[in-house]
Amino acid sequence: QVQLVESGGGVVQPGRSLRLSCAASGFTFSSYGMHWVRQAPGKGLEWVAAIWYDGSNEYYADSVKGRFTIFRENSKNTLSLQLTSLRGEDTAMYYCARDLLGSGGGLDYWGQGTLVTVSS
Amino acid sequence: QSALTQPASVSGSPGQSITISCTGTSSDVGGHNYVSWYQQHPGKAPKLIIYEVSNRPSGVSNRFSGSKSGNTASLTISGLQAEDETDYYCSSYTSSSTLVFGGGTKLTV
Repeated sequence: QVQLVESGGGVVQPGRSLRLSCAASGFTFSSYGMHWVRQAPGKGLEWVAAIWYDGSNEYYADSVKGRFTIFRENSKNTLSLQLTSLRGEDTAMYYCARDLLGSGGGLDYWGQGTLVTVSS
Repeated sequence: QSALTQPASVSGSPGQSITISCTGTSSDVGGHNYVSWYQQHPGKAPKLIIYEVSNRPSGVSNRFSGSKSGNTASLTISGLQAEDETDYYCSSYTSSSTLVFGGGTKLTV
């Protein structure tokens, strides 16, 4: 069965960096676009970034552009998100999700999330 | 990348039908059919219930249906059940090749 398992979250000071990972299994990872979506405590969903199935294109929300980098290693079935210059407003649960059709028209599988807390 | 507009809350009685709206612009909702809906229970990851405006993933109840008119998409839940009480989010692909979510709607049954 399809599984997405995030890791790498934790407490980090403002201005520091963190790398999140998402281990994929149960499907052909290299055939699907992937996304990161976050949710601040008690708030709604916010799309963060996306990457094409082959890693050839990346897209970012304005709120993280220039600070976050999405990348993937298809040989290891792993999606990653490098977070730099972290701010308090980046505190959130970060989810990785699979793009059903590569169109952004539906994220059909989600991980359980990894919590990032930015605090001094 | 302004969030799509959803009502903060809607309510209905068991067995009734409700509709949640999701309003965007011609650069997102109105520009194509890549609109999706998610159900999220407290402490859980979101679950896809509608994709590409009106398609249901396998295993999702046919009580959930989606539609779109102009810049507004809608999610209708018929035959309301107690288990439907939770948060719902819409999402749309944008002309900038990004995604945008709505602010979320809390459904009370």
